[in-house]
Amino acid sequence: KAGVTQTPRYLIKTRGQQVTLSCSPISGHRSVSWYQQTPGQGLQFLFEYFSETQRNKGNFPGRFSGRQFSNSRSEMNVSTLELGDSALYLCASSLTPPGGAFFGQGTRLTVV
Amino acid sequence: KQEVTQIPAALSVPEGENLVLNCSFTDSAIYNLQWFRQDPGKGLTSLLLIQSSQREQTSGRLNASLDKSSGRSTLYIAASQPGDSATYLCAHWVDSSYKLIFGSGTRLLVRP
Repeated sequence: KAGVTQTPRYLIKTRGQQVTLSCSPISGHRSVSWYQQTPGQGLQFLFEYFSETQRNKGNFPGRFSGRQFSNSRSEMNVSTLELGDSALYLCASSLTPPGGAFFGQGTRLTVV
Repeated sequence: KQEVTQIPAALSVPEGENLVLNCSFTDSAIYNLQWFRQDPGKGLTSLLLIQSSQREQTSGRLNASLDKSSGRSTLYIAASQPGDSATYLCAHWVDSSYKLIFGSGTRLLVRP
């Protein structure tokens, strides 16, 4: 059974650009959530989607957005990138929270 | 405010030692608690999931316990090996919010 797949693995962008990250959950999992990991702040919740509906959003500016498709794949978008957006972005899928969460390998975003 | 604290922040032990990693949380009304392992630059690997009605879970050399009344969970690693070197994170689900609250992790080094 394939795990959670995140693409791309690495990205380098310049300030002011926008970026889209993709996440394919484990087959059958309908919940996808996103987290940002930085050395200073640790792991912080961005948002969670279930059956194409955002059920919760973390304390991030509106530049961070996401969506989920009918096949449960999810994308997150960050517009007008800032240096502070440099982080490891992790996607997790769950059958139904609060069941076990399974994470992908992450996308390392570097903003220069 | 819901917080998760992990002690110690870092640990260095010789191979073969049994060790205990601690996790404490402020919200006694938690749902399931999960332990993860993270290798440098990688995603999170789920180790153990303890459901709120359970007291412990075991997988191989790993044993995790949960005491909701005291707000504590421990991860016990038996007969540690160099391959166990990684950062260990605990996290719990927040009721009806569909998100995990993470501790800052314990960085473990097992010396050959």
